[in-house]
Amino acid sequence: AQTVTQSQPEMSVQEAETVTLSCTYDTSESDYYLFWYKQPPSRQMILVIRQEAYKQQNATENRFSVNFQKAAKSFSLKISDSQLGDAAMYFCAYRGIIQGAQKLVFGQGTRLTINP
Amino acid sequence: EAGVTQSPTHLIKTRGQQATLRCSPISGHTSVYWYQQALGLGLQFLLWYDEGEERNRGNFPPRFSGRQFPNYSSELNVNALELEDSALYLCASSALTSGARYEQYFGPGTRLTVT
Repeated sequence: AQTVTQSQPEMSVQEAETVTLSCTYDTSESDYYLFWYKQPPSRQMILVIRQEAYKQQNATENRFSVNFQKAAKSFSLKISDSQLGDAAMYFCAYRGIIQGAQKLVFGQGTRLTINP
Repeated sequence: EAGVTQSPTHLIKTRGQQATLRCSPISGHTSVYWYQQALGLGLQFLLWYDEGEERNRGNFPPRFSGRQFPNYSSELNVNALELEDSALYLCASSALTSGARYEQYFGPGTRLTVT
């Protein structure tokens, strides 16, 4: 079974600085998708960024980028120029591509605090 | 485009009762997923419905059940409520196409409290 581990329960960063959230996963599949979701206090889960495992190029969405290391099964999220609105719980998630395996497997989450 | 909607926002039940949670997917999405977010347990996959059928189920007892209607909306039913069922229940929807990448879009959740 696939597992996702986020080893940092909490992180904090000064506004305008850069922070990196860590995520590792375990799978025997060769192709899959990885996601970072953000859950602010409003509870709404918001997709931040997506990475297809077959793509070597790291995904980037504005101030958010990932460092995808397939061999190491590592998928970290870098937030540049942190803003107060980035404060939230961040979840790393895995999804396989095998038929019937469309569920998301989530890590335990990292609570990110932005200090003004 | 309207997002995923869930009702009610909050639900308070007593132990042993039944709870019904509802979800309306994004227009055009045929798949609906249910997740439980309990304090300290993270997000756990509950159920996946597509085209009116249950496609996959997480490691939850049979008293967690649901269905998907012809308009692709979905209900989650929890029978014989236990205190540990208190959690945020999140619904997500996606456009399921064979072999394609897709994203799951989440609703705001229903907070279920069992007393």
